[in-house]
Amino acid sequence: NAGVTQTPKFRILKIGQSMTLQCAQDMNHNYMYWYRQDPGMGLKLIYYSVGAGITDKGEVPNGYNVSRSTTEDFPLRLELAAPSQTSVYFCASSPYRAQNQPQHFGDGTRLSIL
Amino acid sequence: DQQVKQNSPSLSVQEGRISILNCDYTNSMFDYFLWYKKYPAEGPTFLISISSIKDKNEDGRFTVFLNKSAKHLSLHIVPSQPGDSAVYFCAASATPLIQGAQKLVFGQGTRLTINP
Repeated sequence: NAGVTQTPKFRILKIGQSMTLQCAQDMNHNYMYWYRQDPGMGLKLIYYSVGAGITDKGEVPNGYNVSRSTTEDFPLRLELAAPSQTSVYFCASSPYRAQNQPQHFGDGTRLSIL
Repeated sequence: DQQVKQNSPSLSVQEGRISILNCDYTNSMFDYFLWYKKYPAEGPTFLISISSIKDKNEDGRFTVFLNKSAKHLSLHIVPSQPGDSAVYFCAASATPLIQGAQKLVFGQGTRLTINP
């Protein structure tokens, strides 16, 4: 069982370039999330989705876009990369339950914008 | 405005002793709290959680205590083992009024080192 898979693991971009960070989960989870972690800081929520076709902004959405066409995939798009987007990006998922459930994380994508 | 704070960036503990990691929060709407463990180059791994209707939850060597009046929670690891050396994140969320995704708010993390 692969869980949450993120690709690529590392990427260097030039300022102004665009790219898509991929995230896939095989646990049939309804909820999916994107976080970023800056050095010495906690994770901050960028976007989340409660199901296919439904997405919403988190705490730090500026400069990013998401889509959710299937239950399994939740890609994160950077349109015009800026140095401030240098960070480690984590994707997570959790199941739909009546009670609170922990989120399961992928291993992250380390992104540098130069 | 940091709603979840871990004021100790690092902690060093002798193997076999108790490790106590602390976390404070400010938002009284938070009702679900979690601890995650993170190794380098890996994603956070869920460790233990607690709902605001409880004040203690135990899972093997790990116990989380919640003091709602002080808006404080702590993670106890006993006995500490070398494999426990990692960064530990505290996280909190408020249950949405309508069933929906949980938006976790994380602390900055505490790096725990267990010395042999």
